Amino acid sequence: NAGVMQNPRHLVRRRGQEARLRCSPMKGHSHVYWYRQLPEEGLKFMVYLQKENIIDESGMPKERFSAEFPKEGPSILRIQQVVRGDSAAYFCASSPQKKRYTEAFFGQGTRLTVV
Amino acid sequence: RKEVEQDPGPFNVPEGATVAFNCTYSNSASQSFFWYRQDCRKEPKLLMSVYSSGNEDGRFTAQLNRASQYISLLIRDSKLSDSATYLCVVNGTGTASKLTFGTGTRLQVTL
Repeated sequence: NAGVMQNPRHLVRRRGQEARLRCSPMKGHSHVYWYRQLPEEGLKFMVYLQKENIIDESGMPKERFSAEFPKEGPSILRIQQVVRGDSAAYFCASSPQKKRYTEAFFGQGTRLTVV
Repeated sequence: RKEVEQDPGPFNVPEGATVAFNCTYSNSASQSFFWYRQDCRKEPKLLMSVYSSGNEDGRFTAQLNRASQYISLLIRDSKLSDSATYLCVVNGTGTASKLTFGTGTRLQVTL
């Protein structure tokens, strides 16, 4: 039973390009969370999705960032027109159908570097 | 006030010491609580869930005080391998709940 898979592990983009980060949740998990971690800082919530639905995007910047979790395939976090400040580690986590004490399991992250 | 607050540390302790981390949360309706561990440049990993009755897993003990909105983690007989950042995590309520992370407490165990 594979864990949460994120790819790519490392991504380098020039300013103005687009970055696409992928996350395949654990088998049987229907909830996906995206978090961003800047160097030497804590994890900041970005977005919470279920299949085909965005449940909570309160942590997502209003511009340039979008996320989806289609019926088939991985969840995608898309960053358009990247800037240097977007350089960070982006972690995806998944959890099973909502129940009282649901913990989340993390992928190894994608480290985005904008040059 | 931050949703989840932790002392960032670092806590520098000798091997074999007992160390305690504290965490407070602001949402009194929060339903579930966890401690995660994050090693440098790695993903967070679940250390343990925290139950109202308190729970223990080997050298680790977690406590929850709902009245004070306070969570603690106690590590006994610290090992070098315990050096990491410990993240207090709170899950909200309702269908739109999400895991909210504290900024973490750094622990460095030394010889």
